[in-house]
Formats: sequence, structure tokens, C-alpha cells
Amino acid sequence: QVQLVQSGAEEKRPGASVKLSCKASGYTFTNYAIHWVRQAPGQRLEWMGWINGGNANTKYSQNFQGRVTITRDTSASTAYMELSSLRSEDTAVYYCARAYCGGDCSPGGYWGQGTLVTVSS
Amino acid sequence: QSVLTQPPSASGTPGQRVTISCSGSSSNIGSDYVYWYQQFPRTAPKLLIYRNNQRPSGVPDRFSGSKSGTSASLAISGLRSEDEADYYCAAWDDRLSGPVFGGGTKLTVL
Repeated sequence: QVQLVQSGAEEKRPGASVKLSCKASGYTFTNYAIHWVRQAPGQRLEWMGWINGGNANTKYSQNFQGRVTITRDTSASTAYMELSSLRSEDTAVYYCARAYCGGDCSPGGYWGQGTLVTVSS
Repeated sequence: QSVLTQPPSASGTPGQRVTISCSGSSSNIGSDYVYWYQQFPRTAPKLLIYRNNQRPSGVPDRFSGSKSGTSASLAISGLRSEDEADYYCAAWDDRLSGPVFGGGTKLTVL
């Protein structure tokens, strides 16, 4: 069965960077893109960016341009999301989610369990 | 960044039919599929509707989706207490080359 398993919770100081992982299993990793979506406490889902599992092409939300980098390791079937210059407003649960289809598609039915990132001095 | 517009809250009594709206633009809902997600506190979103009106296996047929122009709706019939959750719509945005989400609707079962 398809699973996305994310790395554990992180606590960071303002100005630091955080790199999260999302290990996929149960499907051919290169056939689907992986999205990263975050949710601040009590707030809506916010799309951050995505990576094509096959050719590694990426697209980032303008809200995070310059601060977010999404990469992937096909040998490990794992996607990574690094967010730099952290500030308190980045405190949120970060989710990875598989695209619904093999092309330009919104997140589908497979989501990671989420990773809580807390940014505090 | 464009965001789809949803009512912040909705409510109904058990057995009722409730609809949640989602308004967008020609670059997202008007040109691509709409997805709906259900989210309970402290859990990941769950796909409820894909491609406007399709239900994944396991989703009760009490849930239905529709789309017209640049708007979409999620309908829940035979409302149950376990339907109390947050509901989000999403659609691909051609200008952003990525998905946009609605602000979420908190459904309360009275």
C-alpha cells in the first residue's frame, strides 16, 4: 500500500534552517510528484512547492521563493524540503503529499503524517 | 497568491443536508479539477472528492461534489456527528503552476 512517512518533529531557533524528509513506498516514486503543504496552528493549508519525482523539476510558491528548496533522492524514494531563515511564523505542521496523477495535479489521497516544526528563541 | 474562497463555518443537525461552497477564478477552478479534503484535528487531510465529483473508494456516497464555472460545492447528506471536521477545497492554478487551497470550512453538527 502507498505510504508516505515523514521525519520527526524539529525545534529550531529563528534564522536557522530545517530539512524535512518524506519517504515514499508502495508505488513507483518517479511516476508522481510530491507536494509540500504546511499548516500553521489554527490556519489553512498552504502550498509550498512540489517536485517531479521523475525529472526533479520543481515549482515553488511565491510566498516561499528564495527560502524553500525541495529535492529528491530516487534511490531512497525520498523527497526533502528545506526551509531557511526560519521565523516564528514558520511554526507549523509540514505535510508531504503525493500528487493525484502523474502530471500537474493537486495533492491526492496519500499524505504523510505531518512534521511539527517549532521556531522559537 | 490567490486563494479559493470558502465560508469559514457551516452547521447542520443530524440527518440534514449541508453544502459548502468554494469560489475561485478562471485560472484555477475555471480551468481545472476541484479536490475536497476532510481534516480532523491533529491529523493529515483525507481526500474526499477528486476531479470535481469522484469519490475515492471508502468515502460514503453521502458526500458529493459539483462544479460550475469558477465555483464548486461539496454536499453532505444525511449529516452525522462524525462529519464534524474541517473541509478544504483545492484546485490547480495555471498561473501559479501549483495548487491553491481554500481557507477551510469548519463544519459543526448541532
